[in-house]
Amino acid sequence: GQSLEQPSEVTAVEGAIVQINCTYQTSGFYGLSWYQQHDGGAPTFLSYNALDGLEETGRFSSFLSRSDSYGYLLLQELQMKDSASYFCAVTRGSQGNLIFGKGTKLSVKP
Amino acid sequence: DAGITQSPRHKVTETGTPVTLRCHQTENHRYMYWYRQDPGHGLRLIHYSYGVKDTDKGEVSDGYSVSRSKTEDFLLTLESATSSQTSVYFCAIRGSAGVVEEQYFGPGTRLTVT
Repeated sequence: GQSLEQPSEVTAVEGAIVQINCTYQTSGFYGLSWYQQHDGGAPTFLSYNALDGLEETGRFSSFLSRSDSYGYLLLQELQMKDSASYFCAVTRGSQGNLIFGKGTKLSVKP
Repeated sequence: DAGITQSPRHKVTETGTPVTLRCHQTENHRYMYWYRQDPGHGLRLIHYSYGVKDTDKGEVSDGYSVSRSKTEDFLLTLESATSSQTSVYFCAIRGSAGVVEEQYFGPGTRLTVT
């Protein structure tokens, strides 16, 4: 079967750095994505890794190790607005189908 | 803004009634997807489309059907709604940004089946 594991909740303080891990088991792996979702909102795309290594986009970075079936999202200089749920998702197959993890709820405290 | 709208945004219906949700895009994207989101389950793919009249099943397709008669519209139908189909439904399109796989999501439809 296919599964993605990520922590259900993480708490951090404003200005800190937080890392959200994701491990996956799936066939037909094409890449690993991260999405952010605020309460009541739609998921929004943050990053995508197809190859091993680190991708950086502003305060957010994402890492992938295909050999370890592992990735993480790193959020730096945390702000209150970063309080949201973060989902890792595997792209499975050439049709672009996404398999999502259950999400990590990040709470940023003052 | 990826130009995706969903209608209705909220709906309450009774068990056994048919329901159709509409997803409309203005960007002429080939791929469209329907997901449902439930507490504790993340988002799960229901059906997807890779072109007009080309659709296929996702992880949780039982009880749902889809149709795509033109590029801009992707319809999700619950033939006979059940309480287990109470959920938030999101439509998405596949971005065309080279090698980066990203999807743009619509605002969602909150469906309650009583």
